[in-house]
Amino acid sequence: QQQVKQSPQSLIVQKGGISIINCAYENTAFDYFPWYQQFPGKGPALLIAIRPDVSEKKEGRFTISFNKSAKQFSLHIMDSQPGDSATYFCAASMKRLTGGGNKLTFGTGTQLKVEL
Amino acid sequence: EPEVTQTPSHQVTQMGQEVILRCVPISNHLYFYWYRQILGQKVEFLVSFYNNEISEKSEIFDDQFSVERPDGSNFTLKIRSTKLEDSAMYFCASKQLNNEKLFFGSGTQLSVL
Repeated sequence: QQQVKQSPQSLIVQKGGISIINCAYENTAFDYFPWYQQFPGKGPALLIAIRPDVSEKKEGRFTISFNKSAKQFSLHIMDSQPGDSATYFCAASMKRLTGGGNKLTFGTGTQLKVEL
Repeated sequence: EPEVTQTPSHQVTQMGQEVILRCVPISNHLYFYWYRQILGQKVEFLVSFYNNEISEKSEIFDDQFSVERPDGSNFTLKIRSTKLEDSAMYFCASKQLNNEKLFFGSGTQLSVL
């Protein structure tokens, strides 16, 4: 129930193309869905995030689409560039009733390579 | 942009030895975390820390693990008696009150031989 399933495991896209990564979750208590970008040797960095009260959020070339009824969300990278080559993780968390901050449950990651 | 700082970047230890991984969270952050990532796998939650106590921990965070905020700036993860399977990249993270954005450090690569 705590799992977040991510696909594909790896993705090769031509420069200028659209990269699409999908995630699905089971736990309906999740209420925050971020995407993280990770370059080799670095920690994950927040790219964009969405809450379930909206179906889409766009920041520059990055868009999250959210389907609450299907319990799925996806990351679209428009006009993909070689500098976008990285590992992308979706994640989810839920509000705690008491105590400290919310833990993130991560997907398994997608290695994106953008070719010239 | 402010950063979470982790030291050392690499740590090699013998099985059964104690290790301490160190982190300096962003100064005005109140929530602190440790996550780990075994090579090629997903990032896994270990523990969260708030108001000088553990607020949540995962099944991975057993009695061999402990966390401490010994002063106003450092946040440490101690593994008392390391096992081969503890080999992983350990990430420290922190965030502000009422803000979901989690900032990760660059990690400590722990190798247990």
